[in-house]
Amino acid sequence: ETGVTQTPRHLVMGMTNKKSLKCEQHLGHNAMYWYKQSAKKPLELMFVYSLEERVENNSVPSRFSPECPNSSHLFLHLHTLQPEDSALYLCASTRSWAGAGETQYFGPGTRLLVL
Amino acid sequence: RKEVEQDPGPFNVPEGATVAFNCTYSNSASQSFFWYRQDCRKEPKLLMSVYSSGNEDGRFTAQLNRASQYISLLIRDSKLSDSATYLCVVNAFEASGSARQLTFGSGTQLTVLP
Repeated sequence: ETGVTQTPRHLVMGMTNKKSLKCEQHLGHNAMYWYKQSAKKPLELMFVYSLEERVENNSVPSRFSPECPNSSHLFLHLHTLQPEDSALYLCASTRSWAGAGETQYFGPGTRLLVL
Repeated sequence: RKEVEQDPGPFNVPEGATVAFNCTYSNSASQSFFWYRQDCRKEPKLLMSVYSSGNEDGRFTAQLNRASQYISLLIRDSKLSDSATYLCVVNAFEASGSARQLTFGSGTQLTVLP
């Protein structure tokens, strides 16, 4: 058990739907991340939040909208997605954002299929 | 050129074999290096950090060659439970001194056969 939980674990949605992914960390960490993992591709960092402030946004399309209401929770709001957005979405946390060699603690991921 | 490059495999080896994975990175400012392990349909988990002097943890040995910008992972006496994808991960520092985020390789898939 890594102390990072994600819901839902699986999600199927149509291109016109709106849904949200939720992540919660129970580790007392100050930084949280969203990653996208597509088949045979490296993990792609999408967003970073440090102390509830967004510190990085790696040119992610606006159909993905993150929200960090507090240091323990992170959401990814999805709307008008495309089939190529189908992937495993992983949440992670670290003790701090700028620390060197911080271990990333990942949640189990949400497997998303866009039809 | 990819920032972190790994041979995707798959590597299929018999139990008890020794297997080595290599990884190259392009950013010479990289400072921290890691191997993560990802089981099928699970999240990545830290396997070990990689230090300049090389380090060993049981059957696993990691080495770093800064001059060649290359890291390796050696698994001795491989077990069935070692079957997973092994991700090479690199962290670099910005000129300001703050750490960049981790850059992941695509992973090398290992299957240990009975």
